[in-house]
Amino acid sequence: DAGVIQSPRHEVTEMGQEVTLRCKPISGHNSLFWYRQTMMRGLELLIYFNNNVPIDDSGMPEDRFSAKMPNASFSTLKIQPSEPRDSAVYFCASRGEEGHEQYFGPGTRLTVT
Amino acid sequence: GNSVTQMEGPVTLSEEAFLTINCTYTATGYPSLFWYVQYPGEGLQLLLKATKADDKGSNKGFEATYRKETTSFHLEKGSVQVSDSAVYFCALSDRGGGADGLTFGKGTHLIIQP
Repeated sequence: DAGVIQSPRHEVTEMGQEVTLRCKPISGHNSLFWYRQTMMRGLELLIYFNNNVPIDDSGMPEDRFSAKMPNASFSTLKIQPSEPRDSAVYFCASRGEEGHEQYFGPGTRLTVT
Repeated sequence: GNSVTQMEGPVTLSEEAFLTINCTYTATGYPSLFWYVQYPGEGLQLLLKATKADDKGSNKGFEATYRKETTSFHLEKGSVQVSDSAVYFCALSDRGGGADGLTFGKGTHLIIQP
């Protein structure tokens, strides 16, 4: 079975540009999570969805960040406009309805210059 | 709120040495506990889990026991290999308490020398 799929794997963009990160969760999983990893702050939860509905977005750093989950097999995290301090690795994870563990994608390494 | 504290590395050991990485937590509810491993340039892989007190999670020679009385979940392995070199993260979630997301420790960089 395919795991969590993220695209792109690497993104380099200039400050001010819009960035869209994509995630496909494991089929049948009903919860999806977005995390950000930086050297300074470690791994932080940004937002999570349950049955495509955003449940907790308290970790989203600013209004420049937004996330959507239009259906059970796809989610996006958008940054508009991007800033150099947004440079990080962004991970998507999914979890089944009865499970406790989350399964992570390979991440998107974002560099904003 | 919930938090996880783990020893920060790097931890450097020789091959076949005994490994312990300490992890303690604070939680308002009854969390599930996890160890994840991250190899260079890759995502996080679930290594093991425990969902209630006194549970022991194990995988690939690694073990950790959920100790409620000491709020700990220390990771151990009897004989490490060079291939175990990676960053290890202790984490918790508390679905019953409404904290579905994982709260991570800062990670422990493990280096195994041949």
